[in-house]
Amino acid sequence: DVKVTQSSRYLVKRTGEKVFLECVQDMDHENMFWYRQDPGLGLRLIYFSYDVKMKEKGDIPEGYSVSREKKERFSLILESASTNQTSMYLCASSPGTANQPQHFGDGTRLSIL
Amino acid sequence: QKEVEQNSGPLSVPEGAIASLNCTYSDRGSQSFFWYRQYSGKSPELIMFIYSNGDKEDGRFTAQLNKASQYVSLLIRDSQPSDSATYLCAVTPPGANSKLTFGKGITLSVRP
Repeated sequence: DVKVTQSSRYLVKRTGEKVFLECVQDMDHENMFWYRQDPGLGLRLIYFSYDVKMKEKGDIPEGYSVSREKKERFSLILESASTNQTSMYLCASSPGTANQPQHFGDGTRLSIL
Repeated sequence: QKEVEQNSGPLSVPEGAIASLNCTYSDRGSQSFFWYRQYSGKSPELIMFIYSNGDKEDGRFTAQLNKASQYVSLLIRDSQPSDSATYLCAVTPPGANSKLTFGKGITLSVRP
């Protein structure tokens, strides 16, 4: 089974802090994704990566950056956290071949105070 | 704008009934179709995928795809209270390779 592990299940930070969310997958997947999920808005793609050191912006990249130095690890960075970034953050991975499903981690519920 | 619509919710059915969840998509060339189940406070879990027109069955779940009409549906037979969750439809648009477009989900409640 695919295992996608997110470093924290719950996280509380203060406005202006730099926040790191970590995600690790154990299936040698080429693709990794970061989403946020908010009530009524569904899943929104923040960034994705299709290879080490490669990244592409999703639908809502503003205020976020990412890092992928190793194939198994994809980090989401909130450069200066704001209260409107309070959300559920979900990491996912998928193989490099086309039309494959994505597999999700357990999510990080982030609160910015 | 590529869209995936799931409009007919929330849905409530009695235990043992068939639950029918529908999803339409706007991009005619979409390639692959997925259904995810998400329990409250949890992350989405893949339950079905379908690539070709017709039906695909897996236990109590059946996915149905009609590319001409641009809809995909999920039938849950003999619904159980444990099926109560939000169901997300996801589609791979043409050229998107690995990215998925998700619907906002339908919440299903199965009454004991």
